[in-house]
Amino acid sequence: DADVTQTPRNRITKTGKRIMLECSQTKGHDRMYWYRQDPGLGLRLIYYSFDVKDINKGEISDGYSVSRQAQAKFSLSLESAIPNQTALYFCATSDVLPDTQYFGPGTRLTVL
Amino acid sequence: AQKITQTQPGMFVQEKEAVTLDCTYDTSDPSYGLFWYKQPSSGEMIFLIYQGSYDQQNATEGRYSLNFQKARKSANLVISASQLGDSAMYFCAMREGLDNYGQNFVFGPGTRLSVLP
Repeated sequence: DADVTQTPRNRITKTGKRIMLECSQTKGHDRMYWYRQDPGLGLRLIYYSFDVKDINKGEISDGYSVSRQAQAKFSLSLESAIPNQTALYFCATSDVLPDTQYFGPGTRLTVL
Repeated sequence: AQKITQTQPGMFVQEKEAVTLDCTYDTSDPSYGLFWYKQPSSGEMIFLIYQGSYDQQNATEGRYSLNFQKARKSANLVISASQLGDSAMYFCAMREGLDNYGQNFVFGPGTRLSVLP
């Protein structure tokens, strides 16, 4: 089984809808991250969490919120989806040292 | 300013040949880490190799090696004996400082490698 899983893998929704993307990991890492990937822009950090009580904004947090339900679970929400949030979303986890990030398979989100 | 530059949007290489993917970085922090990831067409991000700024030797992992030139601030990925399965996007990334504080971990725009039979 994959160490980092994301659900759903694909989602099509409409403008204004609330969407939740979920991430679970079995690596035992305390640190979890949400990234967004747009063509030609690489990955950009949305939110990150270094433990259950720690939530931090990344480079592009506007329009998103997160919840760290447990060490192994980190959810990303779009409160009111808009078309320019159409992207590939990745969850990642890392240990403290080494801090290599391990990624989930991604969620392809389309907002119409 | 761009922290990570990958100047080759696309590269072609013949199967079984070696290829170098360029990455230059910008930081004033003496402590940092450099990473390479592979993203095949299926979309997942696969960690390939890591180089710390204080590491004396270039990192190697199987057919992957990192040509680390600290003075030039470059961290090129070398893939030896290319295989068709190496066709993918390759991302260079950097963590500034000794620890990952989230926003100090940045990715480059990527290079698309195509391996020709």
